[in-house]
Amino acid sequence: AQSVAQPEDQVNVAEGNPLTVKCTYSVSGNPYLFWYVQYPNRGLQFLLKYITGDNLVKGSYGFEAEFNKSQTSFHLKKPSALVSDSALYFCAVRDGGNFNKFYFGSGTKLNVKP
Amino acid sequence: ETGVTQTPRHLVMGMTNKKSLKCEQHLGHNAMYWYKQSAKKPLELMFVYSLEERVENNSVPSRFSPECPNSSHLFLHLHTLQPEDSALYLCASSPGQGPNQPQHFGDGTRLSIL
Repeated sequence: AQSVAQPEDQVNVAEGNPLTVKCTYSVSGNPYLFWYVQYPNRGLQFLLKYITGDNLVKGSYGFEAEFNKSQTSFHLKKPSALVSDSALYFCAVRDGGNFNKFYFGSGTKLNVKP
Repeated sequence: ETGVTQTPRHLVMGMTNKKSLKCEQHLGHNAMYWYKQSAKKPLELMFVYSLEERVENNSVPSRFSPECPNSSHLFLHLHTLQPEDSALYLCASSPGQGPNQPQHFGDGTRLSIL
């Protein structure tokens, strides 16, 4: 069965510092991994994806994610956080056997303090 | 402008009412989805339509009834709802079956059941 875990409900970081939002996954077959961001009163916005290829994936707004197959992780990173990055972040995995299905984590609230 | 428009943005209804949520996508996508988002829980996939045919129904109670009259429009008809159905309902679309295609989300309908 496919699943995604985001072990932290909340991450606090000071503006200008690097940030990491953690995600681990469980899939049978190839992993198709995604990160989304949700701002208050808005839907989810796509940030980046890993399908195959380089383990470091670059996405929107300066975010990147590192795919680690041995640790089954796909952590979201940014070298220097902005206050405007404060939002809810979701990791998701697509079912390799049924592309209609996505499995989402429970979300991590990122707070960036000035 | 996300390309996926949901109406209404907010809805308050009694348990005996009947109402409908509407979703429209302007992206030319072939697949459309309904999700339920409750606080601190993973997104729950409710229904998936591909080329106007329902391909997933994730054990959703019959008081939720989806309709997809064409590839641009998706409805969720509601009747005799329960208080635990209060949540944010998100619509999403994606181009089709490939694994590398992310979903595009609307801003959701915030539903409150009295």
